[in-house]
Amino acid sequence: GAVVSQHPSRVICKSGTSVKIECRSLDFQATTMFWYRQFPKKSLMLMATSNEGSKATYEQGVEKDKFLINHASLTLSTLTVTSAHPEDSSFYICSARDGGRDYGYTFGSGTRLTVV
Amino acid sequence: GQNIDQPTEMTATEGAIVQINCTYQTSGFNGLFWYQQHAGEAPTFLSYNVLDGLEEKGRFSSFLSRSKGYSYLLLKELQMKDSASYLCAVMDSNYQLIWGAGTKLIIKP
Repeated sequence: GAVVSQHPSRVICKSGTSVKIECRSLDFQATTMFWYRQFPKKSLMLMATSNEGSKATYEQGVEKDKFLINHASLTLSTLTVTSAHPEDSSFYICSARDGGRDYGYTFGSGTRLTVV
Repeated sequence: GQNIDQPTEMTATEGAIVQINCTYQTSGFNGLFWYQQHAGEAPTFLSYNVLDGLEEKGRFSSFLSRSKGYSYLLLKELQMKDSASYLCAVMDSNYQLIWGAGTKLIIKP
């Protein structure tokens, strides 16, 4: 089945630094990648939708200059949290749609970000 | 607005059956998903319903009534490993997933 590889699984960084999270579709071409954020005991919150070769579409309230998304190829999308603050600490998950299936949404394994 | 409702938490006994309900109001409908999420992990796909009726897959079944905006996930022969959050999500007319807040299922011996 479709697999999305997400790295790193856990990262601790200092306030003010930037962190890059990568998601790769291993056996399919992900024309669209969704980036979610999840707070403890809460559901998934869509941050942005990225399409290969074009600018990402950000949800209302999500700062595009803080959460930089790049989807330069059909198999790789990255989320960079810039100038991280402790309130950015969260669980970030990517999801790619496998266009070969009618309902193909596959999730990465998630990244636990802790900003100290 | 768009809304997905499901119970916050449910408790059931090992070996028993539990039904987790989900009601929705969305702009358009292109299918309903159920996902399982263990703490600290990403969601994993359980089921997809786009037509009315019951879809059975092993111990798990999912039901959909589009006219009522209602779905349920039925878990049989509960095992301790079924303790997790269960997320209901609807794909709207723009093929975007609208997520419920999830139901935390606690299984007791």
